[in-house]
Amino acid sequence: DGGITQSPKYLFRKEGQNVTLSCEQNLNHDAMYWYRQDPGQGLRLIYYSQIVNDFQKGDIAEGYSVSREKKESFPLTVTSAQKNPTAFYLCASSWAFNSNQPQHFGDGTRLSIL
Amino acid sequence: EDQVTQSPEALRLQEGESSSLNCSYTVSGLRGLFWYRQDPGKGPEFLFTLYSAGEEKEKERLKATLTKKESFLHITAPKPEDSATYLCALYPTGANSKLTFGKGITLSVRP
Repeated sequence: DGGITQSPKYLFRKEGQNVTLSCEQNLNHDAMYWYRQDPGQGLRLIYYSQIVNDFQKGDIAEGYSVSREKKESFPLTVTSAQKNPTAFYLCASSWAFNSNQPQHFGDGTRLSIL
Repeated sequence: EDQVTQSPEALRLQEGESSSLNCSYTVSGLRGLFWYRQDPGKGPEFLFTLYSAGEEKEKERLKATLTKKESFLHITAPKPEDSATYLCALYPTGANSKLTFGKGITLSVRP
């Protein structure tokens, strides 16, 4: 079955540590996205990628970094510069950026501070 | 600025008690409006896309409608398994437009 796989499901970060969240899709979608979800807030866009080897900052990119070396993969690194990383992180993909086709989501990674 | 407001924040229904969830929006131009369902600890699951005022989409007990200012998700005779958070997101027109999400409505259906 086609879909988006995020791993790990739970992740703990120590002070000063960088951690990487994995996102893999087998939907053959060009565009991929990372969102952050906090209680009582709407999803906020961290980074997005329209195509391989390309990515742009979203609304809350500070303290995060991404890469898009393969069409299927869009990992997110939460760096030590992100002072409030505790949140639910969601990866999504769509056929193309700036199209009216829906985005499809993975089941998220919950990141907590140790 | 594009805005999405969902109401109420939470809704408790008795099984079989029909109701509607509201998504009000302001946008200069609408490319599409999306409804998602999200279960606890899971990612949002796509339900519907609406593109123009007057459009309606149905799936089982759910029906989504769209006007120029708001969208409704009507739930007919809900069951406990319909309990979830329902998210509305709008996609404005424009070269680099991105999805804007509402905060969601948490629906609880009691047996």
